[in-house]
Amino acid sequence: NAGVTQTPKFRILKIGQSMTLQCTQDMNHNYMYWYRQDPGMGLKLIYYSVGAGITDKGEVPNGYNVSRSTTEDFPLRLELAAPSQTSVYFCASSEPGWDGAKNIQYFGAGTRLSVL
Amino acid sequence: GESVGLHLPTLSVQEGDNSIINCAYSNSASDYFIWYKQESGKGPQFIIDIRSNMDKRQGQRVTVLLNKTVKHLSLQIAATQPGDSAVYFCAENISGANSKLTFGKGITLSVRP
Repeated sequence: NAGVTQTPKFRILKIGQSMTLQCTQDMNHNYMYWYRQDPGMGLKLIYYSVGAGITDKGEVPNGYNVSRSTTEDFPLRLELAAPSQTSVYFCASSEPGWDGAKNIQYFGAGTRLSVL
Repeated sequence: GESVGLHLPTLSVQEGDNSIINCAYSNSASDYFIWYKQESGKGPQFIIDIRSNMDKRQGQRVTVLLNKTVKHLSLQIAATQPGDSAVYFCAENISGANSKLTFGKGITLSVRP
């Protein structure tokens, strides 16, 4: 069982370039999330999705876009890369409990992005 | 064992000792809490969770304690092993339609052989 798979694992971008970080999960989870983690810091939510066709902003959405055309895939798009977007990006998926409280998120291994 | 708040970045313990990692949460409406372990170069991994209608929950070598009165959560690791060296995060959630976790900053646990 693969769980949550992220590609690529590493990437170096030049300022102004664009790229898409891929995320796919095989657990049939409805909820998916994108986080960024800066050195020595916690996880900040960029975007999330509660199901195919539905996305919403998190805490730090500026400079990013997402789409959710299928249950399995949740790509994150950087249109004009900036040095401030140098970070480690994690994708996660979950299937919250009936009341939405219990929410065990399963994470991918991350994409390490440097913008120079 | 030692206890330290999440505002201190590193907790160093001797192998075999018990570890206590503390977390202060801010939202009194939070009704679900979870601990994650993140090893170097990997994504966070679920350790244990607890609902707000409980004070304590035990897993294998780990125990989570919840004190809602002072909005405090702790993770206890018994007989700490070198493989426990990692960054530990607490996270909280509020029941509802758009279920999201709010993560703390994390603390590094370093186990001395």
